Amino acid sequence: DTAVSQTPKYLVTQMGNDKSIKCEQNLGHDTMYWYKQDSKKFLKIMFSYNNKELIINETVPNRFSPKSPDKAHLNLHINSLELGDSAVYFCASSSAQDYGYTFGSGTRLTVV
Amino acid sequence: GENVEQHPSTLSVQEGDSAVIKCTYSDSASNYFPWYKQELGKGPQLIIDIRSNVGEKKDQRIAVTLNKTAKHFSLHITETQPEDSAVYFCAVNTGGFKTIFGAGTRLFVKA
Repeated sequence: DTAVSQTPKYLVTQMGNDKSIKCEQNLGHDTMYWYKQDSKKFLKIMFSYNNKELIINETVPNRFSPKSPDKAHLNLHINSLELGDSAVYFCASSSAQDYGYTFGSGTRLTVV
Repeated sequence: GENVEQHPSTLSVQEGDSAVIKCTYSDSASNYFPWYKQELGKGPQLIIDIRSNVGEKKDQRIAVTLNKTAKHFSLHITETQPEDSAVYFCAVNTGGFKTIFGAGTRLFVKA
């Protein structure tokens, strides 16, 4: 049973489109995150939610809108996709802010 | 804000040798230092972590050391095996809801 599951695994779309990525964790964790990994493998935090409340918004363009309907789910909606949005997006969760993360397997987004 | 530097960016070792990856950080308030391993096509996986009140921690072939005064910590892998080949990330947390990652080290273990 997958601990942190993301869908879809791959997403290819045209510039200007709107797309969503979904994430669910069954670990009972209170905190969930979105990270972006670029082509050089650099991992950069985008958002952090604790008990459905937005805690961190790391100067991400407002075309990116996270939503947490409950503490087990954190979705990411992206409007007006741009070429520079192409990356792998990882969802993660943790039981507290200073504990290790459990990552999902990632969503590879390609904007053409 | 916190800045994490990781070296080397690439490391190639012979099977059975040891591998050492080093990280430095800037914020003296940082108190949690995890290491992650990322295999091709997968998400990063936590392999070992250390907290600021501990100087060293070992788990079978991997160990982490922390020098809080110098603000650096290291990952040591002994008796490397081909399946250790992956990208390794150090990370730092200051007790808030944000973990900052190093740029990663690509480890190649040659059989």
